[in-house]
Amino acid sequence: QVQLQESGPGLVKPSQTLSLTCTVSGGSINSGNYYWSWIRQHPGTGLEWIGHIFHSGSTSYNPSLKSRLSMSVDTSKNQFSLRLSSVTAADTAVYYCARHGYFDLWGRGTLVTVSS
Amino acid sequence: DIVMTQTPLSLSVTPGQPASISCRSGQSLLHSDGKTYLYWYLQKPGQSPQLLIFEASSRFSGVPARFSGSGSGTDFTLKISRVEAEDVGFYYCMQGLHLPYTFGQGTKLDIK
Repeated sequence: QVQLQESGPGLVKPSQTLSLTCTVSGGSINSGNYYWSWIRQHPGTGLEWIGHIFHSGSTSYNPSLKSRLSMSVDTSKNQFSLRLSSVTAADTAVYYCARHGYFDLWGRGTLVTVSS
Repeated sequence: DIVMTQTPLSLSVTPGQPASISCRSGQSLLHSDGKTYLYWYLQKPGQSPQLLIFEASSRFSGVPARFSGSGSGTDFTLKISRVEAEDVGFYYCMQGLHLPYTFGQGTKLDIK
């Protein structure tokens, strides 16, 4: 069965770039008409859609983050990635990757703390 | 951004009793393809959100029949016919029609 797993540093310094990768296992990132998404959850609060990418590389970003955000996909590694630049404490959150046909499949999430 | 408003924000239910959560969207979620892009998720303690309902009223694979979704346009409801202890957590509605996709604030359900 298809599974998603986030990976990346758990601690990032302010003003630096947050980089996360989501590895898709048990299935191909190319298969189906899915978008591959990033969603975050600030401590103790609700969910925020960050953006998504198609296997072709086509992207959509949340306008609130667009100026600092970049997503990419590596079909040979069955991975997609997130880069968020100029981070502040407000970017501290659990970051989830998810498959969007219906957001029916989520990774377990990874906590990223922005602190010096 | 489309604002998704859930009510109530918290719910305490006796096992075996019904529960209902409302979600209102700032704009219609009905697409020209005839589908309504409203989803319901449950986030159990310490877990990732899990899909319960898609397209407003379709139960996702493996979701117990006690969960049902209804509504159209801008007003939607998630109902649990008989709450069980394993249903505790936060329930979120999400609109998947207008970018950026947006979630409701969440409704915390606990057991009396």
